[in-house]
Amino acid sequence: GNSVTQMEGPVTLSEEAFLTINCTYTATGYPSLFWYVQYPGEGLQLLLKATKADDKGSNKGFEATYRKETTSFHLEKGSVQVSDSAVYFCALSGNAGGTSYGKLTFGQGTILTVHP
Amino acid sequence: EAQVTQNPRYLITVTGKKLTVTCSQNMNHEYMSWYRQDPGLGLRQIYYSMNVEVTDKGDVPEGYKVSRKEKRNFPLILESPSPNQTSLYFCASSSTRTAYSNQPQHFGDGTRLSIL
Repeated sequence: GNSVTQMEGPVTLSEEAFLTINCTYTATGYPSLFWYVQYPGEGLQLLLKATKADDKGSNKGFEATYRKETTSFHLEKGSVQVSDSAVYFCALSGNAGGTSYGKLTFGQGTILTVHP
Repeated sequence: EAQVTQNPRYLITVTGKKLTVTCSQNMNHEYMSWYRQDPGLGLRQIYYSMNVEVTDKGDVPEGYKVSRKEKRNFPLILESPSPNQTSLYFCASSSTRTAYSNQPQHFGDGTRLSIL
């Protein structure tokens, strides 16, 4: 079945540092890939997505590129802010028409803390 | 405002006492789903519904029931709760009209259940 593996956390950075959170996946066919962010006490919000190989999703300074050859979707940001402190989830959604259609498979989440 | 609303946000109860967590969305979405979030495990799907009167099991359905009598509502029922169901629960919805799996899911703010 489908699976998502994220780098172990928590991650602690100083403001303006470079961020990478690794994400690799296992899936059949051509899944869609997502990064969700969860701020304290809130639900998950979509941060960015990519629906086919070599697509780059971007939002709020965050980027991730769908790499089919390495089955990866690493999240990056050039300069983090204190307000980026949150839990980040990598996820994939199965193919249309497949048994996993519409279902999101999540990684375990990575806690990011940014200090001033 | 487009939203997914869950109630209650917090609940402490005792083993065996039936409870229902409600979920309602105002976006006319066909697809709705319940997840539970546990430390180190990310989010795991409990049940999902492709449309009214169509529900199916996710990865961890044991001990839970759902119903989808109306398009906007998707309640989660714990007939006889046990301590291992203590968790943070999220309801989500998305549109399936495009027949592709790349539509992002919209999440509620979560319900924290404690079963003593």
